[in-house]
Amino acid sequence: AQKVTQAQTEISVVEKEDVTLDCVYETRDTTYYLFWYKQPPSGELVFLIRRNSFDEQNEISGRYSWNFQKSTSSFNFTITASQVVDSAVYFCALSEETSGSRLTFGEGTQLTVNP
Amino acid sequence: GAGVSQSPRYKVAKRGQDVALRCDPISGHVSLFWYQQALGQGPEFLTYFQNEAQLDKSGLPSDRFFAERPEGSVSTLKIQRTQQEDSAVYLCASSLVPWGGRSHNEQFFGPGTRLTVL
Repeated sequence: AQKVTQAQTEISVVEKEDVTLDCVYETRDTTYYLFWYKQPPSGELVFLIRRNSFDEQNEISGRYSWNFQKSTSSFNFTITASQVVDSAVYFCALSEETSGSRLTFGEGTQLTVNP
Repeated sequence: GAGVSQSPRYKVAKRGQDVALRCDPISGHVSLFWYQQALGQGPEFLTYFQNEAQLDKSGLPSDRFFAERPEGSVSTLKIQRTQQEDSAVYLCASSLVPWGGRSHNEQFFGPGTRLTVL
């Protein structure tokens, strides 16, 4: 069965600090997909990134970067030089090739960036 | 272009009432999903449509929950005889292409409907 664990319930940082959000997943499939979504106070989930299990290359997009390590089943998300607008709940999610349409989310990490 | 829209944004129901929640996906999107998000939790999958076909309803918590997408565009999630444990935000998402196998593309989410059952 697929499972996603985000052990950090809440993180609070001061603006301009770097922050890493952890995500650990469990799956029996060899082909799977990992996602990060942002949920601001408005409630609408915003897609950030998708990663395939067969592509372990890390990715950087502006202040955002993702570290995918199959050896530790982790897909961590780092925000560099955080800003107040980064304050939101961040969700990591997993889908498997054999699990059809199911996308499984972690419980989320509430990030607060203080000025 | 318009994103996914949902209505109503807020719904208060008395226990035992039936409710209907509407989702307008992005035009042309084949896949449509419903999720339930309890307070402080991540979204949980309810059901999946590919066009008008409901291909997966394994996440529906009970037979009081029913979803349809008769013309392959707008979808309605109906909850009969609502209970307090049904209180949650119901999220709808759509995706351009069919989901499953090796096609797991970005899902675009709506703002959700917050259901409160008294």
